Amino acid sequence: GAGVSQSPRYKVAKRGQDVALRCDPISGHVSLFWYQQALGQGPEFLTYFQNEAQLDKSGLPSDRFFAERPEGSVSTLKIQRTQQEDSAVYLCASSLAPRQSSFFGQGTRLTVV
Amino acid sequence: AQSVTQLGSHVSVSEGALVLLRCNYSSSVPPYLFWYVQYPNQGLQLLLKYTSAATLVKGINDFEAEFKKSETSFHLTKPSAHMSDAAEYFCAVSVENQGGKLIFGQGTELSVKP
Repeated sequence: GAGVSQSPRYKVAKRGQDVALRCDPISGHVSLFWYQQALGQGPEFLTYFQNEAQLDKSGLPSDRFFAERPEGSVSTLKIQRTQQEDSAVYLCASSLAPRQSSFFGQGTRLTVV
Repeated sequence: AQSVTQLGSHVSVSEGALVLLRCNYSSSVPPYLFWYVQYPNQGLQLLLKYTSAATLVKGINDFEAEFKKSETSFHLTKPSAHMSDAAEYFCAVSVENQGGKLIFGQGTELSVKP
């Protein structure tokens, strides 16, 4: 596609529910990143893929967070047993190669009630 | 470790006035530096980037930034503000050897008064 596509754009989850957020990167982009942006804050790194390999997951806040990119294209960020503190905008970004410019999707706004 | 500090969480200027958004970085190696803009309910759009070539970097919409190693700064400027420039601006540093993941500052909200 022309840009990074994320779905859904908005998600309301009840506390304790599992959610899955999808990211479609720009075709051919090797690198894929997930960031979490709390209200009024800058984005914070969650995890990084190079093709299908998850090379860095140091930013995942707990073992309730899991990300995958099985075929080196689409990625899914899964959050199990959601908590209120998980409420944030989740941004996906892709780049053609490591350290090239990252292009961001519009984000998924997750609200846990 | 790399980090970014943006001075001023909110900046207000009049339409036609100079825009100056401040960013200081910390990095033990030559950094790659970026400015992104975020409009409400949107993702981040790249304005410009510095990758160790020219120290004065020109970006989209007449924005530019100057890399000053001695001051560890990468301030964003625009000669004349437009109403459409009102948005949140983020400075970021790319982490070497970690695929280019970005470390962001806290952001500066720019308001433009008519």
